[in-house]
Amino acid sequence: ETGVTQTPRHLVMGMTNKKSLKCEQHLGHNAMYWYKQSAKKPLELMFVYNFKEQTENNSVPSRFSPECPNSSHLFLHLHTLQPEDSALYLCASSLTSGETQYFGPGTRLLVL
Amino acid sequence: GQQVMQIPQYQHVQEGEDFTTYCNSSTTLSNIQWYKQRPGGHPVFLIQLVKSGEVKKQKRLTFQFGEAKKNSSLHITATQTTDVGTYFCAGREGTYKYIFGTGTRLKVLA
Repeated sequence: ETGVTQTPRHLVMGMTNKKSLKCEQHLGHNAMYWYKQSAKKPLELMFVYNFKEQTENNSVPSRFSPECPNSSHLFLHLHTLQPEDSALYLCASSLTSGETQYFGPGTRLLVL
Repeated sequence: GQQVMQIPQYQHVQEGEDFTTYCNSSTTLSNIQWYKQRPGGHPVFLIQLVKSGEVKKQKRLTFQFGEAKKNSSLHITATQTTDVGTYFCAGREGTYKYIFGTGTRLKVLA
């Protein structure tokens, strides 16, 4: 499945680094999402964008900063992360918000 | 806020045995979706249920939405090793988002 792609697939960063995760969807969808998946926790919704407008910020710390320049691309900018932020970060898209979501392969992030 | 719990958390079955996972919401859901995540993979959409009491089948998988639209179940008949993975339900909250359940991790022993 190549409908939703994410880069990088793996990332190791120090707590003082700045990095960005990228998500791209080729499905013509208008809604995009960031999720965090940690061990022993359910999928946690972080942000929702619908037609490039942010419609949901699920009380995410400001060290995570999303950017949606167009309906096909979504970024998650990371700075001064904590070790507990280590997780699998999944991007998803849907035709419009609230519809069936198609997930990317995820970026596995390790914060040292 | 809305909470969606799934039981059991883990299930090991012998190949050929049946398997059921249950999803319970603290609030009434407008609809519910089910996803499967293979080990090392990402969630993949399986099905959506909308109507009260709705039952849908996909080959060996049977999905049911409760009458009160607060619970749902997924039943797999005669499990196969390809059924291994974590099964998530996701209940719709408002317009923009789904709340994912805690997931049930299924292992099938050959």
